[in-house]
Amino acid sequence: NAGVTQTPKFRVLKTGQSMTLLCAQDMNHEYMYWYRQDPGMGLRLIHYSVGEGTTAKGEVPDGYNVSRLKKQNFLLGLESAAPSQTSVYFCASSPRGNAYEQYFGPGTRLTVT
Amino acid sequence: AQKITQTQPGMFVQEKEAVTLDCTYDTSDQSYGLFWYKQPSSGEMIFLIYQGSYDEQNATEGRYSLNFQKARKSANLVISASQLGDSAMYFCANLITQGGSEKLVFGKGTKLTVNP
Repeated sequence: NAGVTQTPKFRVLKTGQSMTLLCAQDMNHEYMYWYRQDPGMGLRLIHYSVGEGTTAKGEVPDGYNVSRLKKQNFLLGLESAAPSQTSVYFCASSPRGNAYEQYFGPGTRLTVT
Repeated sequence: AQKITQTQPGMFVQEKEAVTLDCTYDTSDQSYGLFWYKQPSSGEMIFLIYQGSYDEQNATEGRYSLNFQKARKSANLVISASQLGDSAMYFCANLITQGGSEKLVFGKGTKLTVNP
């Protein structure tokens, strides 16, 4: 049981490049979330999903797209990376209707130059 | 707008002493939940404790307890008998319901340093 895993752990992008961050969970959770964490800030919700095939915007969705084609995977895409997207990205998952049990992945550190 | 405020950017405590980390929240929801997470230097987010708005007693989990004062909208974390391994960032979060689903809103965090 790996819990929540994130790929990659580190990445450096140039402005304008695109990439996809992968979050995978093996706990059969319904809900999945993408957060970003910037220095001196708490985590801010980017997008979330309440089930396979569904996505919704969080607090800071601009510049990101997401997809949840399979229940166990939640993808976060950056179509044209900007330096303002330099951050640590956390994925989390929780059982349906119970964010109390929100399990976090180890994070992906992204630098955009 | 839902908001979580942690007014202490950094706190220092002597090993074996108790420390209180402040958290105030602003919500219009009648039913809500408050969480504390620990983030060590390794980066992972670790769930510590949860308090529901209708819980009559303050939540406790081992050395962690939550001083919940609903009228003041505060949910302070108390760590008793501090250990060196408690040095980390601590985040308070409010569970809100929006669009039929639940989401967490985080404060900016408090950096706790435990001195030997």
